[in-house]
Amino acid sequence: GENVEQHPSTLSVQEGDSAVIKCTYSDSASNYFPWYKQELGKRPQLIIDIRSNVGEKKDQRIAVTLNKTAKHFSLHITETQPEDSAVYFCAADSNYQLIWGAGTKLIIKP
Amino acid sequence: GAVVSQHPSRVICKSGTSVKIECRSLDFQATTMFWYRQFPKKSLMLMATSNEGSKATYEQGVEKDKFLINHASLTLSTLTVTSAHPEDSSFYICSDNTGELFFGEGSRLTVL
Repeated sequence: GENVEQHPSTLSVQEGDSAVIKCTYSDSASNYFPWYKQELGKRPQLIIDIRSNVGEKKDQRIAVTLNKTAKHFSLHITETQPEDSAVYFCAADSNYQLIWGAGTKLIIKP
Repeated sequence: GAVVSQHPSRVICKSGTSVKIECRSLDFQATTMFWYRQFPKKSLMLMATSNEGSKATYEQGVEKDKFLINHASLTLSTLTVTSAHPEDSSFYICSDNTGELFFGEGSRLTVL
């Protein structure tokens, strides 16, 4: 079955710098890769997603890249702000369900 | 997007009691809902998929008799934690299955 690995588990960046979170997956049939942001004690919220027919997608300060050959996808956040502090989860679809990464705690240092 | 409402947000109960968590789809008809469990600082773990009008599909290792799931209508799915024990304490969260997942607010269960 699908396995999703996410790195790093914790990422600390200076406010204004960029943050990159990486995920790898094992099922070559996966074709949908969402990223979720979860603030402490709250529900996960979709921030960006990408499908396998696209290599990159951008939405303001957030971008996702996908390399299907290498089976990895990454979340890029530019010009980080304090409100970006949260736990970020990647996921990949497999057999009509999402397989989740372990999460990355992003800390924005002032 | 879809709106999913979950209740209660927090519940504290004694060992041995049962707790029901409700998940409602407010602006769409949900034939399928997902139920997740999340331990502190951990990822979401899919427990089961509820199916309107039929039995839920449980993930491997999840006790069906312990976590009763009912999806009696197109707008309501419920999770009942039966004979709760302290190890059942967790954050339980539901989501829809409309493609882009919309999550309920989550329910933090504490079993004393």
